[in-house]
Amino acid sequence: TQLLEQSPQFLSIQEGENLTVYCNSSSVFSSLQWYRQEPGEGPVLLVTVVTGGEVKKLKRLTFQFGDARKDSSLHITAAQPGDTGLYLCAGTRGYSTLTFGKGTMLLVSP
Amino acid sequence: NAGVMQNPRHLVRRRGQEARLRCSPMKGHSHVYWYRQLPEEGLKFMVYLQKENIIDESGMPKERFSAEFPKEGPSILRIQQVVRGDSAAYFCASSPPGASSSGNTIYFGEGSWLTVV
Repeated sequence: TQLLEQSPQFLSIQEGENLTVYCNSSSVFSSLQWYRQEPGEGPVLLVTVVTGGEVKKLKRLTFQFGDARKDSSLHITAAQPGDTGLYLCAGTRGYSTLTFGKGTMLLVSP
Repeated sequence: NAGVMQNPRHLVRRRGQEARLRCSPMKGHSHVYWYRQLPEEGLKFMVYLQKENIIDESGMPKERFSAEFPKEGPSILRIQQVVRGDSAAYFCASSPPGASSSGNTIYFGEGSWLTVV
């Protein structure tokens, strides 16, 4: 059983398009993090959200933590080829270690 | 990812050999985590260590796998008598002392890719 479900699994879009990827769970998380991983590299932390309903922006990326702290979304505006990568969400429950979803593989074509 | 150093980046071992993967955490970090990533799968937690202590090894296979984080030197993930199913990317991560429930932010290294032939 996957604790964190990410959707879609794969997404292929053209440069300039907008997109949203989702991270859902039936469990409540005390914090949730988004990472981007490129081939042959380790995950790089993008953002941490801790408060239900919280919205954080990082340039063209907007992250939202659900009110009930069970889900999160990542919205990218005007995607660029440099946004290509595997987007991973990961959650913490209390003092537990991070649990990861399987990720959304994003391909942005010029 | 400046600071979390893993080596080797790539390692090839024959079945039955031992693999040793090393991780030096970021400066000032005393918590180390090991994760394994298999093709088409997400990152799976293996073990969480602090200096000289294993805090949580709930994700470690019961046999052949061990981890340590000595007082001096890097953390070591050791896999004995490797099998083809051990082929994966192994990631180390670290975090500063004082982890709390409000956000256990950890920083990853670039990974060690183990191939068992």
